[in-house]
Amino acid sequence: QVQVVESGGGVVQPGRSLRLSCAASGFTFRTYAMHWVRQAPGRGLEWVTVISSDGGHKYYADSVKGRFTISRDNSKNTLDLQMDSLRDEDTAVYYCARAGASGVGVRYFDPWGQGTLVTVSS
Amino acid sequence: QSALTQPASVSGSPGQSITISCTGTSSDVGAYDSVSWYQKHPGKAPKLIIYEVTNRPSGVPDRFSGSKSGNTASLTISGLQAEDEADYYCSSYTTGSTSYVFGSGAKVTVL
Repeated sequence: QVQVVESGGGVVQPGRSLRLSCAASGFTFRTYAMHWVRQAPGRGLEWVTVISSDGGHKYYADSVKGRFTISRDNSKNTLDLQMDSLRDEDTAVYYCARAGASGVGVRYFDPWGQGTLVTVSS
Repeated sequence: QSALTQPASVSGSPGQSITISCTGTSSDVGAYDSVSWYQKHPGKAPKLIIYEVTNRPSGVPDRFSGSKSGNTASLTISGLQAEDEADYYCSSYTTGSTSYVFGSGAKVTVL
C-alpha cells in the first residue's frame, strides 16, 4: 500500500543539526512532489517545505528558510530534511506527506506518515 | 503568514450536522480552489478528507462535504458519528511567501 515512514527524530541542543528521513513505498516516488509539515506541542499544523518530483524546485516556510534544506533521492525512494541552527521553537512532530496526486499544481497532502518527534532543548 | 481562522471547538449530538468554518484572505482561500481538509486523531497521522474545496477521496464517507464562498471555506459533517470526534484542519495554497497555510484547528466533540 501507499506509505511514507519518517525516521531520525530525537533530542538535540539549540544551535545543533539533525537530519530527518522519509522512506516511501507503494507508489512511483519520482512522479510526486513531497512535503514536510510539523506540529509543535499543543499547536496546529505548520507547512515547512516542499520539493518537486525531480528535485529541481524547493520552497520553504519563512520560519525555516536558510536553516532547513529539503532533498530527495529518486533512486532510493527517500526524502530528507536537513535541519541546521535548530531553535527551541523547532520542537515538533515532523510529518512527511506526499502530494495528493502526481504532476504539477497538486496542492493537497495525501498520505501522511506517522511523524517523528524532534525536541530542541539544552 | 497568519494561520487560517477556525473555531476552536464545535460539538454536536450523534446524527446531527455540524459545520466548521475556515476563514482566510483574498491571498489564500479566496484566491484558489485549493482548500483541503484533514482529520487528525490524537497520536495519529492526519488524514485527507476533502481536497480542492469539494472533492472527497475514495473511502471517505459522503457524510463529509466541503464548500467555499469568498474567503471562507466550510466543512460539513452530516449524521455525526462517535468516530468523527477529532481535530480538523483546513489548508490552502497561498500567494504569500509561505506556499501553504493551515487553519488553527477545530476540535469536534460528539456529545
